[in-house]
Amino acid sequence: EAGVAQSPRYKIIEKRQSVAFWCNPISGHATLYWYQQILGQGPKLLIQFQNNGVVDDSQLPKDRFSAERLKGVDSTLKIQPAKLEDSAVYLCASSLSWGNTIYFGEGSWLTVV
Amino acid sequence: GESVGLHLPTLSVQEGDNSIINCAYSNSASDYFIWYKQESGKGPQFIIDIRSNMDKRQGQRVTVLLNKTVKHLSLQIAATQPGDSAVYFCAENLRSSNTGKLIFGQGTTLQVKP
Repeated sequence: EAGVAQSPRYKIIEKRQSVAFWCNPISGHATLYWYQQILGQGPKLLIQFQNNGVVDDSQLPKDRFSAERLKGVDSTLKIQPAKLEDSAVYLCASSLSWGNTIYFGEGSWLTVV
Repeated sequence: GESVGLHLPTLSVQEGDNSIINCAYSNSASDYFIWYKQESGKGPQFIIDIRSNMDKRQGQRVTVLLNKTVKHLSLQIAATQPGDSAVYFCAENLRSSNTGKLIFGQGTTLQVKP
């Protein structure tokens, strides 16, 4: 079974530029999550989708971050404009539904300079 | 607010020994806990989980113990191998929120000496 796919794996941008990350969850998984992991810390939830609806985006900095899952499968996370403190790994994860085991992708590593 | 914490940032063990990684949680209403392993440059990998109606659960070479009285969770790894070297996170699932959201601790780095 294929895992959670993410791209790009690595991205370096200058502050105030924009960046977008893509995620393809495990086939059949209705719930999709985006987590932010700053170096040396545990992942922190940014946003959770159930199919194409947002369940929790309470920790998403909405002035600069946006995410969508238009057809209930793939998802895109965008940052515009980026700040230095956005340097982190952005992890996409999915589960069959919200109460099931959550599986993570390899992450997209962002460096803002 | 809720928090999940690990007792030690780094644990160093000899290959073949057993490892015990500890975690404390603060939300007594939490009823689902997960251990993840994260190797350098990779995403967290599910190891084992336990629900609050259980005290112990065993997997292949791993055992998770849950003590709800003192809000303590531990991961035991038997016969630790070099491939076990990684950062281990405990995570709390806020099932009461009906979202499946995970709250992660800071992580413990396990170093296995040959």
